[in-house]
Amino acid sequence: AQTVTQSQPEMSVQEAETVTLSCTYDTSESDYYLFWYKQPPSRQMILVIRQEAYKQQNATENRFSVNFQKAAKSFSLKISDSQLGDAAMYFCAARTSYDKVIFGPGTSLSVIP
Amino acid sequence: EADIYQTPRYLVIGTGKKITLECSQTMGHDKMYWYQQDPGMELHLIHYSYGVNSTEKGDLSSESTVSRIRTEHFPLTLESARPSHTSQYLCASSSGDEQYFGPGTRLTVT
Repeated sequence: AQTVTQSQPEMSVQEAETVTLSCTYDTSESDYYLFWYKQPPSRQMILVIRQEAYKQQNATENRFSVNFQKAAKSFSLKISDSQLGDAAMYFCAARTSYDKVIFGPGTSLSVIP
Repeated sequence: EADIYQTPRYLVIGTGKKITLECSQTMGHDKMYWYQQDPGMELHLIHYSYGVNSTEKGDLSSESTVSRIRTEHFPLTLESARPSHTSQYLCASSSGDEQYFGPGTRLTVT
C-alpha cells in the first residue's frame, strides 16, 4: 500500500527565515510523482512544486525547493525567505501509475512577523 | 487560479435531507476526484472518475454517490444526510500529473 507521512503537525518560522517541512513516503512503484500542495486558510489548494521520481535533480520553484532522497523515500520542502503569505497547511502527496494521489496528514505552517 | 468550481460553498442542512454538491471544471480534464477533509486534517479520497460514465469508489468508505454524465460535471449526492457527514468536501480535476482543486463545500448537518 502507498502511504505518505508528515511527522510535523505544526511548524513556525520567522519572516525572512528558512524552514524545512518533512515528508516520507512508501511505495512499491518505480515510476511515481511527488508533490507539495499548499492550502491557505479558507482558500483553494494549489500546487507548490512537483518532482518526478526518475529525475535525480531536485525541483526548484522560486523560493521553494525540495530535497528528494529516493533511497530513503524522503521528500522535504524548503521555503527560503519566508513571507507572511506562506502561512498555510502544506500537504505532501504521491501519485503512482494508478493515477490516485495519496496525501499526507499535513503540516500547519505559521509565519511570525 | 484553476477553472474548477464548487457550489454551494457553505451548506447547513437538517438530518435526513437529500443534498447534491456540485462540481464543474472548464479545463476539459478527463479525471475528476472528490475528497473529504475535516478541518486541519488530511484529505481522504471518496470517489473518482476517469471520464464520462466512469466512477469508482475511493479509499474512504462513503455513503455518497457520484455521476459523470458530462466531462465537465461531477456532482456528489447524499441521499440522507447525517451529522457524521459534517465535513469539507473538495473536488479536483486532472489531465496529467497535477490536480487542480475547487474551493470546497463546507457541509454541516444538524
